[in-house]
Amino acid sequence: AQSVTQLGSHVSVSEGALVLLRCNYSSSVPPYLFWYVQYPNQGLQLLLKYTTGATLVKGINGFEAEFKKSETSFHLTKPSAHMSDAAEYFCAVSFISNFGNEKLTFGTGTRLTIIP
Amino acid sequence: DADVTQTPRNRITKTGKRIMLECSQTKGHDRMYWYRQDPGLGLRLIYYSFDVKDINKGEISDGYSVSRQAQAKFSLSLESAIPNQTALYFCATSDPSGRLADTQYFGPGTRLTVL
Repeated sequence: AQSVTQLGSHVSVSEGALVLLRCNYSSSVPPYLFWYVQYPNQGLQLLLKYTTGATLVKGINGFEAEFKKSETSFHLTKPSAHMSDAAEYFCAVSFISNFGNEKLTFGTGTRLTIIP
Repeated sequence: DADVTQTPRNRITKTGKRIMLECSQTKGHDRMYWYRQDPGLGLRLIYYSFDVKDINKGEISDGYSVSRQAQAKFSLSLESAIPNQTALYFCATSDPSGRLADTQYFGPGTRLTVL
């Protein structure tokens, strides 16, 4: 079984400050890891993903995340927050089976607020 | 035009009514999914379909049914709606081949309220 834990349902940072959203996963097989973002009144869109290879992955809008197997973590960071980053962020995990890529399991989400 | 569309976008109904939520996609993807989103619970999978003849239950399928009418259409039905089915419902698609095999593409959501 696989699961995702996002620490902190709400995070507030000042504009220009570092953004750090935490995600830990549990998976019995090598995972695929994702961050999705949901802007107000919109569906989810992919921010970045880790499948194989380089453990530091870069996504859209200046976000990046690092896969740390020893810590079972996939934390999302951005060096300098912008007002437009205010949204809800979801971490998700899936894995490859004999049927191809299995379904995503989502975390409970972290709502990011940017303070002017 | 949006690649994944959902109708209706908002719906208010009464307990016991039958409701159908529709999803259409122009991405040509074989795989389609229905999720519900509740505050503090994230997204939970209701049903998924890997092709027209393949339907699978997700983690919270009780009280729901689906129909995959064509590659591009995947409908979710609530046979007898109840208030705890009040939620935001999302449809998503994915393509199992190629570089973006593991990316899901989401529709804009349907906000359903059951009174």
